[in-house]
Amino acid sequence: GAVVSQHPSWVICKSGTSVKIECRSLDFQATTMFWYRQFPKQSLMLMATSNEGSKATYEQGVEKDKFLINHASLTLSTLTVTSAHPEDSSFYICSASGTDLQETQYFGPGTRLLVL
Amino acid sequence: EDQVTQSPEALRLQEGESSSLNCSYTVSGLRGLFWYRQDPGKGPEFLFTLYSAGEEKEKERLKATLTKKESFLHITAPKPEDSATYLCAVQGYSGAGSYQLTFGKGTKLSVIP
Repeated sequence: GAVVSQHPSWVICKSGTSVKIECRSLDFQATTMFWYRQFPKQSLMLMATSNEGSKATYEQGVEKDKFLINHASLTLSTLTVTSAHPEDSSFYICSASGTDLQETQYFGPGTRLLVL
Repeated sequence: EDQVTQSPEALRLQEGESSSLNCSYTVSGLRGLFWYRQDPGKGPEFLFTLYSAGEEKEKERLKATLTKKESFLHITAPKPEDSATYLCAVQGYSGAGSYQLTFGKGTKLSVIP
């Protein structure tokens, strides 16, 4: 149980284009979803927290207009990187938590983004 | 502000050589301390949650313990497949964000056959 999927697993795009990453909880209802960014050999950096049906709460320093988060249902959240630039290249990981899971966050497999 | 410090940064063990990883933390009201395992290029895999000092949990060759200031992840007779980065995270009651985790930088464990 408590499986989280992400799609795509990797994406290469040209500078200036937008990229959408999906995060799904497959076998539970995710009341809260989180988006992280991880640089090589670094730990996870929280970007934003989203609750189903509400606007996401962004961490300090994260541009809301660049990283659009939509948590439209209890099983799906999306992260859209708008007008991507090479510095946005990174490993993006989502996690999900549900009230039945004792507040434990379960993580997706991650999405590797490369902006050329 | 919640803080998590993990040590050592990297650890090389011979297969069968037991050891411990350390996670020191400061948090204003501990809701839970979490251990995750992360393989290269993958998302973290949940291992344990500890809620109060004195609590212990075990899973195969891993045992996690908790005090008021730190947590240990004990690895008994490790195998090469235990090689991974082990992440410690705390969840506190303070702050506007509910259920947020503060992660340490991790300990990269390499088990040599």
